Amino acid sequence: AQTVTQSQPEMSVQEAETVTLSCTYDTSESDYYLFWYKQPPSRQMILVIRQEAYKQQNATENRFSVNFQKAAKSFSLKISDSQLGDAAMYFCAYRTENTGTASKLTFGTGTRLQVTL
Amino acid sequence: GAVVSQHPSRVICKSGTSVKIECRSLDFQATTMFWYRQFPKQSLMLMATSNEGSKATYEQGVEKDKFLINHASLTLSTLTVTSAHPEDSSFYICSARRDYNSPLHFGNGTRLTVT
Repeated sequence: AQTVTQSQPEMSVQEAETVTLSCTYDTSESDYYLFWYKQPPSRQMILVIRQEAYKQQNATENRFSVNFQKAAKSFSLKISDSQLGDAAMYFCAYRTENTGTASKLTFGTGTRLQVTL
Repeated sequence: GAVVSQHPSRVICKSGTSVKIECRSLDFQATTMFWYRQFPKQSLMLMATSNEGSKATYEQGVEKDKFLINHASLTLSTLTVTSAHPEDSSFYICSARRDYNSPLHFGNGTRLTVT
């Protein structure tokens, strides 16, 4: 079974600075997807960024980018120019490409990000 | 963008009663819906996968007779917590996708409190 590990329960960053959230995962599969989701106090899960394992290029979405190291099974999220609205829980998630398992998401334990003035 | 509506957002029920939570995809047909449970300050734990017109697939350790899931149409899945107990108090979140290659869209969640 796949596992997703987020070793940082909490992180803090000053407004306008850059922060990196860590995520590692364990899988025996070669094809899969990785995601970062944001859960603000409203509890709504919001997709931040997505990475296909077969793509070597790291995904970017505006101020959000990832460092995907397939061999190391590492998938970190970098938030640049942090804003107060970035404060939330961030979950790393894994999804198999195996259609037989209905492609369910496996979530990490989350990292709570605080953004300070 | 795709919208998933979950209702109610909050519910309080007495121990021993049943409560139904609805998950609707408002602007797309969802072939698959997922039900998650989230304890305070913890991650989302998948409870079951619901495919339209077929029985739900439950994760190990989830009691299917207690958490009844019905996916009767392509836009609606329901989770019924039967004979609720205080330990069932939690935050329940549904998600839905149009097809296998489509992204998942999440509902706003339901906070269940069993007294």
